[in-house]
Amino acid sequence: GEQVEQLPSILRVQEGSSASINCTYENSASNYFPWYKQEPGENPKLIIDIRSNMERKQTQGLIVLLDKKAKRFSLHITDTQPGDSAMYFCAASGNSGTYQRFGTGTKLQVVP
Amino acid sequence: DMKVTQMPRYLIKRMGENVLLECGQDMSHETMYWYRQDPGLGLQLIYISYDVDSNSEGDIPKGYRVSRKKREHFSLILDSAKTNQTSVYFCASSRGQNTLYFGAGTRLSVL
Repeated sequence: GEQVEQLPSILRVQEGSSASINCTYENSASNYFPWYKQEPGENPKLIIDIRSNMERKQTQGLIVLLDKKAKRFSLHITDTQPGDSAMYFCAASGNSGTYQRFGTGTKLQVVP
Repeated sequence: DMKVTQMPRYLIKRMGENVLLECGQDMSHETMYWYRQDPGLGLQLIYISYDVDSNSEGDIPKGYRVSRKKREHFSLILDSAKTNQTSVYFCASSRGQNTLYFGAGTRLSVL
């Protein structure tokens, strides 16, 4: 199994609150977990990533958590702003011979 | 400047016509990819290229082929396009199993 499941598909939050997106993966050999943000009409761009030697990583209002035992990782956006409204994709990949597989995306809407 | 360039940005073709999508990168990345993006399905890998003439099928290769004769250039070919190949196509490149850098995408409509 190589699938990456991502939930929710749509997330609507109040400006200033937190938003959380969850992903699960099947391949226990996966060791790299990036998150991409895609604005309307644009290409996906990396916003934060985590490798399997870490459980938590934080940068500029973004937190990623990795639970290798449960094969689950998550993105948490603190103090959401209208500019955070976008599609977010999680992905997972392993060593050479495997490639990044993407979740189906979460459309985040931050409302005033 | 790190860049992945896709041409064309928009393309309209008739069913049965051949389609050539081109992609270039200036980062000397060994690995290049072609994904298609459809609503509700996310990004699905069509083909991956590990270097010149070293291409492998992704999850949905049927109806597509690729060509990589130079490290900086990766082409996606649709021989006899079908209406279900209407989609947004993204090229990407990476150094090994690291961050993917995406091109701006090609919006293809097959009528």
